[in-house]
Amino acid sequence: EAGVTQFPSHSVIEKGQTVTLRCDPISGHDNLYWYRRVMGKEIKFLLHFVKESKQDESGMPNNRFLAERTGGTYSTLKVQPAELEDSGVYFCASSPQGGGEAFFGQGTRLTVV
Amino acid sequence: KQEVTQIPAALSVPEGENLVLNCSFTDSAIYNLQWFRQDPGKGLTSLLLIQSSQREQTSGRLNASLDKSSGRSTLYIAASQPGDSATYLCAVRRYSSASKIIFGSGTRLSIRP
Repeated sequence: EAGVTQFPSHSVIEKGQTVTLRCDPISGHDNLYWYRRVMGKEIKFLLHFVKESKQDESGMPNNRFLAERTGGTYSTLKVQPAELEDSGVYFCASSPQGGGEAFFGQGTRLTVV
Repeated sequence: KQEVTQIPAALSVPEGENLVLNCSFTDSAIYNLQWFRQDPGKGLTSLLLIQSSQREQTSGRLNASLDKSSGRSTLYIAASQPGDSATYLCAVRRYSSASKIIFGSGTRLSIRP
């Protein structure tokens, strides 16, 4: 069974550009989470989808970040426009309906220059 | 607000030693606690998950304990090997098995051959 898959694995963009990260959860997992780790800090929660609905988006840093999960399958996280402080590793995780152990993807390393 | 702290931030020991990693959390009202491993450039691998009603979990050379009342958990690694070198993350869930995970900043472990 495929695990949580994230694309791209690395992205280098200039300040002011737009980047879209994608997460494909484990098939059938209703819960999908986005987290990020900026340099030197702990991994922090961004938001939580249950199917296509945003259950908790309290961790989204500002309105430059937009997450979607149309159809309740894969999710995208768009950063527009990107700023230098957005650099870090963005992780996606999924878990089955009702919760349980969360499985993490490999992460996308975003560098804004 | 739940905060998770891990001590030490970094640890280097010779191969074969037994070692203990520490984790503390400020709010004892947790649903579960999970230990993860992260290798450089890789995603997060779940090592052990302890439900709030449990005191410990074991997997191979790893043993994790939980003392909810004091807000502490330890990860014990027996007979350490160079392949154990990685960053170890402690994380808690507060309300349910689907709620967000709150991470500590991790302990970077290096096992010297």
